[in-house]
Amino acid sequence: GAVVSQHPSWVICKSGTSVKIECRSLDFQATTMFWYRQFPKQSLMLMATSNEGSKATYEQGVEKDKFLINHASLTLSTLTVTSAHPEDSSFYICSASPPNEQYFGPGTRLTVT
Amino acid sequence: GDSVTQMEGPVTLSEEAFLTINCTYTATGYPSLFWYVQYPGEGLQLLLKATKADDKGSNKGFEATYRKETTSFHLEKGSVQVSDSAVYFCALSDQGNTPLVFGKGTRLSVIA
Repeated sequence: GAVVSQHPSWVICKSGTSVKIECRSLDFQATTMFWYRQFPKQSLMLMATSNEGSKATYEQGVEKDKFLINHASLTLSTLTVTSAHPEDSSFYICSASPPNEQYFGPGTRLTVT
Repeated sequence: GDSVTQMEGPVTLSEEAFLTINCTYTATGYPSLFWYVQYPGEGLQLLLKATKADDKGSNKGFEATYRKETTSFHLEKGSVQVSDSAVYFCALSDQGNTPLVFGKGTRLSVIA
């Protein structure tokens, strides 16, 4: 089946620094990628929808200047958490979507100290 | 908007017990329905899906039937194993390339 990778799988950073998370579709082209956030023992909340070659669409309450999303190609989307704070610590999961399917990456655990 | 409601956990069962995790949905159209499983420390894995009314999705002994009349997609397994311990998410999608709407998840613990 289709494979979506995320890198890094986990990262620890200091407060105030920026962290970039990559989401790649390895064997298919993804016209759309989604970024979700999951707090401990909670469900996934959609952060933004990323379409190749256009600006991401952010969900209400998600700061677009803090969570920068770039979908530079049909196989790569990046999420950059800028000026990270401890409250940004979370599990970030991407999914990639060719037409009529959706495949999830393994997730990136971010810890901000 | 669309929403998914699933039974709250945690659910604790003995090995070989019967499992049911209830899931109901609200949607304006005719969504596709999914069950995902998340093992500790890992991402989501698609467990099964159904794309239209009366479809039954099945995988690894789990099954769920898309019931349009009751707007439900309950997950069942006849005999659970310790290795089934995980969090299970019910989800829906209006179209193939739209974001999924997830339920809150149900944590299942199976004890030997």
